[in-house]
Formats: sequence, structure tokens, C-alpha cells
Amino acid sequence: SAVISQKPSRDICQRGTSLTIQCQVDSQVTMMFWYRQQPGQSLTLIATANQGSEATYESGFVIDKFPISRPNLTFSTLTVSNMSPEDSSIYLCSVEGRPNTGELFFGEGSRLTVL
Amino acid sequence: AQTVTQSQPEMSVQEAETVTLSCTYDTSESDYYLFWYKQPPSRQMILVIRQEAYKQQNATENRFSVNFQKAAKSFSLKISDSQLGDAAMYFCAYRSAELGGATNKLIFGTGTLLAVQP
Repeated sequence: SAVISQKPSRDICQRGTSLTIQCQVDSQVTMMFWYRQQPGQSLTLIATANQGSEATYESGFVIDKFPISRPNLTFSTLTVSNMSPEDSSIYLCSVEGRPNTGELFFGEGSRLTVL
Repeated sequence: AQTVTQSQPEMSVQEAETVTLSCTYDTSESDYYLFWYKQPPSRQMILVIRQEAYKQQNATENRFSVNFQKAAKSFSLKISDSQLGDAAMYFCAYRSAELGGATNKLIFGTGTLLAVQP
């Protein structure tokens, strides 16, 4: 399985600031997915990032709030902009697993707390 | 739209005993994958087991097995010989295998928190 590293692991942020989360994969992958997990909740897909094209956002998520970059096949960033306490969550990066299995593998997640 | 339901917010099992976590889902598709993921306090999502909808045989991975009932849209996870390290949040998830393939999203249930008592 791919090894996925996320930075930062955790951070405490002030309201109104922005933070960029990095996701590095040890192999080339076509699709990368960003999920949000609010406290005590399940995971919700924010967007799908394909290298060389604009990310595709899910309903309820917009590019101005969660801009995503995908400069190459092993790296992606998610920015949480103009943060409010409601953005306090774990943000997880994921990539496809073995071909034709439907599997996704996840990074360790980035826990953001917004004060 | 597809949905995944886990009706047991919390479960508890004695060490070495067996526990079954329930999951039901709703879909009109015929080709899909089902998964169980484990999320320990470290927060990393770990894939426990996978089932392809076209396979009638239930998947098994060591102490973990599933009971897949396609007609009933049920996908339960059985953990045998429970260990302290099995304590975690368990999420059931669905992913379409139909056209759209790799862009199809993983849809999660709300999770079941499993406690293992020594």
C-alpha cells in the first residue's frame, strides 16, 4: 500500500487565518481525495484532485474556502481559508489502493483546532 | 443517492470473545464495493476488509470476516478472538464500481465505537 504523509499533524489556529495542509505520497497516483471528519462524526468528502486539472468539489464545499493544489502525481495541498471554529476537524488525504479493488488508503490526518 | 447506516453507536466485547458490528446500505446499483475501516485513537483510517458485490463468498481476513447479504443490503463485520488492540471506531463504507470508477467517492457510515474489556 502507498505511504501517505500529512503535515501538519495538528495545529491550533486563530479565527480568520488560513492554513495549508500538505499530503505527500510515496508513489505516483492519479486521484487524491480530501476528506473532513468533524468532531465525533464520520468522514465527508471535500473534493477530488486530479493532477493537471481543477479539483472537483462536493456539494457544500467551495473552492474559495478549500482551495486545492495538485502540482504533480505525488503531492497535493488543501488550504482551509478564513477559518472559524466550525472548521475544527480532522482533514484526511487519501489515494487509491490496489487497482480494481475500490480501496482507498488514508494519511494520518491533520487535526485542526480553530479558536 | 447511496447511504450507509450503522445503527450501533457503541459496542463492547470481552477479550477473546466474538463481536458483530452491523451495517446496512441503500443503493440502486449492482456493482459496488463495501469496506470496513478501523480508526484507532491515532486517527489513521486502516482498511480492515473489503467485499466486492458480485462475489457471493464472504470476505475473510484472519480474525475478521463479513456476512454480506446483497438482497438485504446488509454487511456486518465479525471480529473473532477480540484483542485489546481491536478497540477503535469502525466505519462501514460503500463505493460504486460503476462508470466513473476512480472518481467514485467512498461513502461512510456514522461509525461504531468498539470497546474491548480485559
